[in-house]
Amino acid sequence: AQRVTQPEKLLSVFKGAPVELKCNYSYSGSPELFWYVQYSRQRLQLLLRHISRESIKGFTADLNKGETSFHLKKPFAQEEDSAMYYCALSAHTGANSKLTFGKGITLSVRP
Amino acid sequence: KAGVTQTPRYLIKTRGQQVTLSCSPISGHRSVSWYQQTPGQGLQFLFEYFSETQRNKGNFPGRFSGRQFSNSRSEMNVSTLELGDSALYLCASSLDGAAGELFFGEGSRLTVL
Repeated sequence: AQRVTQPEKLLSVFKGAPVELKCNYSYSGSPELFWYVQYSRQRLQLLLRHISRESIKGFTADLNKGETSFHLKKPFAQEEDSAMYYCALSAHTGANSKLTFGKGITLSVRP
Repeated sequence: KAGVTQTPRYLIKTRGQQVTLSCSPISGHRSVSWYQQTPGQGLQFLFEYFSETQRNKGNFPGRFSGRQFSNSRSEMNVSTLELGDSALYLCASSLDGAAGELFFGEGSRLTVL
């Protein structure tokens, strides 16, 4: 069975400070990892996925299979980054796949 | 193109009643997934439908069921409602399932009294 753990519920930083949102996973196969974000009064939406290896809104995340982690990082936080962030893992079994989410972390960026 | 549409947005039921929630996916998307979102448990997977077939199911009791129609619209039903079923129910559509990007609706907020 797959599991996603986000060990912190809340991270509060000042504008311009670095941000690291932690995500650890448990899965015996080869996972696909995602970060989803939900801004206030908006829908949950995809932020980035590990296979694309791109930076979105200054955020990056590297899959570390040795540590089974997929931490989300940004060198300089902005106030508009304040949101709820969910780490998610896609597990495939044959033709089936499902996305398992962590419990999420609230990022608060203070001016 | 139009996003994922869920109806109703808000509803209040009493224990023992049943409820049906509806989801219209993005045009062309054949996969529809349902999630229950609560403050304590976060997002929990209910089930996924693809081309009218349930392709995957989460660990919820049989009171939770769903279906998908030929136009990819989906419904989920909860029978014999319990207080603990109070939650935001999110629907997400995608082209080919969980391996791809999920597009979420705004959710249906269910309150059970």
